[in-house]
Formats: sequence, C-alpha cells, structure tokens
Amino acid sequence: QSALTQPASVSGSPGQSITISCTGTSSDVGGYNYVSWYQQYPGKAPKVIIYDVSIRPSGVSDRFSGSKSGNTASLTISGLQAEDEADYYCSSYTSLSTLVFGGGTKLTVL
Amino acid sequence: QLHLQESGPGLVKPSETLSLTCTVSSGSVSNSRGFYWGWIRQPPGKGLEWIGTVHYTGSNYYNPSLKSRVTISIDTSNNQFSLKVTSVTAADTAVYYCARLQLWFRQTDYWGQGTLVTVSS
Repeated sequence: QSALTQPASVSGSPGQSITISCTGTSSDVGGYNYVSWYQQYPGKAPKVIIYDVSIRPSGVSDRFSGSKSGNTASLTISGLQAEDEADYYCSSYTSLSTLVFGGGTKLTVL
Repeated sequence: QLHLQESGPGLVKPSETLSLTCTVSSGSVSNSRGFYWGWIRQPPGKGLEWIGTVHYTGSNYYNPSLKSRVTISIDTSNNQFSLKVTSVTAADTAVYYCARLQLWFRQTDYWGQGTLVTVSS
C-alpha cells in the first residue's frame, strides 16, 4: 500500500490559518470517512487531533478542523500559535482492512 | 487513564528476530469489542508506518509490505500484546510504538511512549 500524500512542509505566521492536504485514493481516503490526523512533537508519541474526518476528541482546541472532498482530506489550523509548530500526519482505513499513514508535514510558525 | 508501555531489547543483530512486548495498565486488552491493539513504527527522521493490529479474539491485520515477517499476538492473562519481526535489517531500525486503535482504525487514541530498536551488528 502506498503512503498518503502530504506536503513535506507548510508555514504560517501567528494568527493566520493554514491547511494541510492529505491525498489518497478511492480505496482509502475517498472510500471511507475514517480519516484521522495526528500531531507529533519531537521525541514524543503522536496525539490524535481529528478522527472520522472532522471530529475533535475531547480536549482538542477548536482551532483544529478537518474536512474531506473526494480522495483528499484536509486539516485546517486557524489562529496559528507558536505551540502548533509540530509534525502532522494523516491516516486512513483502507479497503484491504489496513491502516495507511501520510508521509507527514512539518509545520513551522514564523 | 489507559497506559501502554513497550519493553524489549534496544539492539538487534541483522538477520535475527526483533521481539517487543506492550503491557497495558488501567484497562484490559480482553473484552474490548470495539478496540484493536497494534504496533506502529517510525524510522529516525522519517514518518509513521503502521505494522499491524490484533483483536482480543485473536484476529490479525498486517501491513502487506511487512506481512511475511511480522507476527502480532495477544496474551490476555498478562494483559499484554507482542510483536515479532523476523530477518531484520538496518531498515527496521525505528522507534516502535504500541497503541490502541478503535474499530475501523478510525483513530489511534492511546500510544505508548515508544522504544528505539536499532538493528546493527
């Protein structure tokens, strides 16, 4: 299975909004509403911030939002803050009953 | 609050078998219909790779690219699950995370802290 496609890096200034895309196929992202997003700080385990495309777990800031159109899912972070600087990964359930991750996106807050 | 902790050797020789165990506390690996237990790895400086998952009933799902070398098993009596990767090479060097995944792998909601396994002679 091929990794989902994410931009290697994105950047934004404090207060701005950024969007990270996650492109797959009709066998994963496009075929199921089981896309999740993870935030990972250096040396730490990932933390789920979005699941089922657009649901935020309890305790996750409402500045994080998710959506999907066709084979592409997106994570939007609004009101960018310095603490948002981290790596972000998407994942999706697949038609093979497997899980596939994106390659990861490094967010830099300028 | 569920807690997962990986344990096992930090150094494995090429061609040998990598073995890790995940101990679950403040929760049970059994009688968990809607949850799976799995392993995810991350090579140094690289992205996440799903290795596979096991259900308390014993059913398994594996990454096709690793399936021939991987076995994930569950030990309900000790509240643990384990990973074995055979015939390892330097490409298997990574931080290995154990985790809990919800049905349909819709989210991985609990993670261990991760353990670095280096494959080197």
